[in-house]
Amino acid sequence: QKEVEQNSGPLSVPEGAIASLNCTYSDRVSQSFFWYRQYSGKSPELIMSIYSNGDKEDGRFTAQLNKASQYVSLLIRDSQPSDSATYLCAVRAFSGGYNKLIFGAGTRLAVHP
Amino acid sequence: EPEVTQTPSHQVTQMGQEVILRCVPISNHLYFYWYRQILGQKVEFLVSFYNNEISEKSEIFDDQFSVERPDGSNFTLKIRSTKLEDSAMYFCASGGQGGTEAFFGQGTRLTVV
Repeated sequence: QKEVEQNSGPLSVPEGAIASLNCTYSDRVSQSFFWYRQYSGKSPELIMSIYSNGDKEDGRFTAQLNKASQYVSLLIRDSQPSDSATYLCAVRAFSGGYNKLIFGAGTRLAVHP
Repeated sequence: EPEVTQTPSHQVTQMGQEVILRCVPISNHLYFYWYRQILGQKVEFLVSFYNNEISEKSEIFDDQFSVERPDGSNFTLKIRSTKLEDSAMYFCASGGQGGTEAFFGQGTRLTVV
């Protein structure tokens, strides 16, 4: 069974701090990795995608990928109360076809003023 | 900015009734998906659709479910005989060339009574 694992949280950080969110996946041949943000009662919103080992930065967000360790992370710098949401890690599965994303259960982030 | 549009936003139906959930994917996207999220649970893959046929489906997507792209713009999910456990948020998503990233609609909340 191919799985995507995340700590459910909540992860509580003060405003202005760095929030670090982690994700591990079991399918070693996965090639594409995504971070989505989901506010309560809303749909997942794509915030980052990463395809190769290393870091990818976009504004206050940095995604990190280590395929050898099967590990993806998301750093949010200068966290704001508006960043409070559930962050979903998603992996494009390679199971004889790769036309689906498998989601983790999400990590709830709470940024307090 | 292009977006995926879903209708209706909320559907209440009696157990055993058929429902059709509708989606207008982002124009020029080629890959289409349905996901569902039961309240408080993870986002679950149902089915992916490419080149006018199903490319992958999950165990959830049994004979009670079907998808259709009746014209060049709409993508529908039909549940033939709804059960109480079908109550969930249903998300449509679409992806462009290569199908790597998936962009979600705002969802349809289905309540089966």
